[in-house]
Amino acid sequence: GAVVSQHPSWVICKSGTSVKIECRSLDFQATTMFWYRQFPKQSLMLMATSNEGSKATYEQGVEKDKFLINHASLTLSTLTVTSAHPEDSSFYICSAPTSGGYEQFFGPGTRLTVL
Amino acid sequence: AQTVTQSQPEMSVQEAETVTLSCTYDTSESDYYLFWYKQPPSRQMILVIRQEAYKQQNATENRFSVNFQKAAKSFSLKISDSQLGDAAMYFCAYRRWGSQGNLIFGKGTKLSVKP
Repeated sequence: GAVVSQHPSWVICKSGTSVKIECRSLDFQATTMFWYRQFPKQSLMLMATSNEGSKATYEQGVEKDKFLINHASLTLSTLTVTSAHPEDSSFYICSAPTSGGYEQFFGPGTRLTVL
Repeated sequence: AQTVTQSQPEMSVQEAETVTLSCTYDTSESDYYLFWYKQPPSRQMILVIRQEAYKQQNATENRFSVNFQKAAKSFSLKISDSQLGDAAMYFCAYRRWGSQGNLIFGKGTKLSVKP
């Protein structure tokens, strides 16, 4: 199956700093990518939809100025958590659907810890 | 809006036995996809099985099969001959048909397999 990578796999940062997470589709082009957040022992919740060549679409309650998304190319989307706070500590997962396909491929996730 | 409900937070099964995980969903659409994903401790999301709503035949993948009841909006997962490696979180998910839409997840069921 198709491969999606995420970098970094884990990151620890101080409160108030910004953190960038990359999501790459390695062997296919993705005009759309999704960013999910998963708190411990909870389900995946969609944060935003990243669209190549246009603005991201954010879910209700997600601050777009805090979670900046840039879909720089057909294989790369980045999520930047600005001015991170301890409550932003979570597991962030991206996924990308293949063109015309039913399946979405998930990255391995990024564990963010904000001290 | 579509919703997915998993009413079993935790389940346990003896190795080599069969277990069924429940999932119900709500939608007003007639065409859609349903999925079961497995999330092991590594937290990598793994597709277990999918079902297209227009198909009456229940999907099967080796030891995994579903019981899809469209009218009842029920989509249960049966795992036969359970193995220790099946221990994981299992998420039921919904996706709209005909688009590269995001997945809507249930809250998950934690499956334990006893040796």
